[in-house]
Amino acid sequence: DQQVKQNSPSLSVQEGRISILNCDYTNSMFDYFLWYKKYPAEGPTFLISISSIKDKNEDGRFTVFLNKSAKHLSLHIVPSQPGDSAVYFCAASAHLNTGNQFYFGTGTSLTVIP
Amino acid sequence: DGGITQSPKYLFRKEGQNVTLSCEQNLNHDAMYWYRQDPGQGLRLIYYSQIVNDFQKGDIAEGYSVSREKKESFPLTVTSAQKNPTAFYLCASRMTGGTDTQYFGPGTRLTVL
Repeated sequence: DQQVKQNSPSLSVQEGRISILNCDYTNSMFDYFLWYKKYPAEGPTFLISISSIKDKNEDGRFTVFLNKSAKHLSLHIVPSQPGDSAVYFCAASAHLNTGNQFYFGTGTSLTVIP
Repeated sequence: DGGITQSPKYLFRKEGQNVTLSCEQNLNHDAMYWYRQDPGQGLRLIYYSQIVNDFQKGDIAEGYSVSREKKESFPLTVTSAQKNPTAFYLCASRMTGGTDTQYFGPGTRLTVL
């Protein structure tokens, strides 16, 4: 069963506008959340993360919001640029007795239109 | 430069053959992970290792094996028992303690003919 879900497979946004990518999770044990950007046939690149003790983390054009009660997080990119076009994965981390495990969503393909 | 290397970038094998994918990191990270990505799916965990000489099965470990004899290296063997081995394989590492951020290698595309 998918514990981290990205329900929008794709998103198109005009250059300069805001991109909002959404992610939902089911496991209340998750305490750390990450966003990765990925190009085809390459490894994911870490973008931004947030601990469960926070509700917002900002890094330049990227902001991640966490709503624990709704088990929902979102990534805001503003202003969007054509170079932001890629697949974005949401991930969540749980601390287990055997170590940290990470669970990934299925990704959202963002296209920024010039 | 510090980073994670995976070799080769593309790998072709005949059905029924075992194949080993390399993953090396010089980040001095303790934990290492192997994931598989298929079209339309997220990354699925195959195996992970928190320390040398210890590793744990992930969600889809059947048909795979790993070893962790050195901190820097975490090779993955895709055995003939893996029913659908053609996929994109990603290795990641993480420093235990501190933040839970994983860093990924460039990936290996395995095609079984």
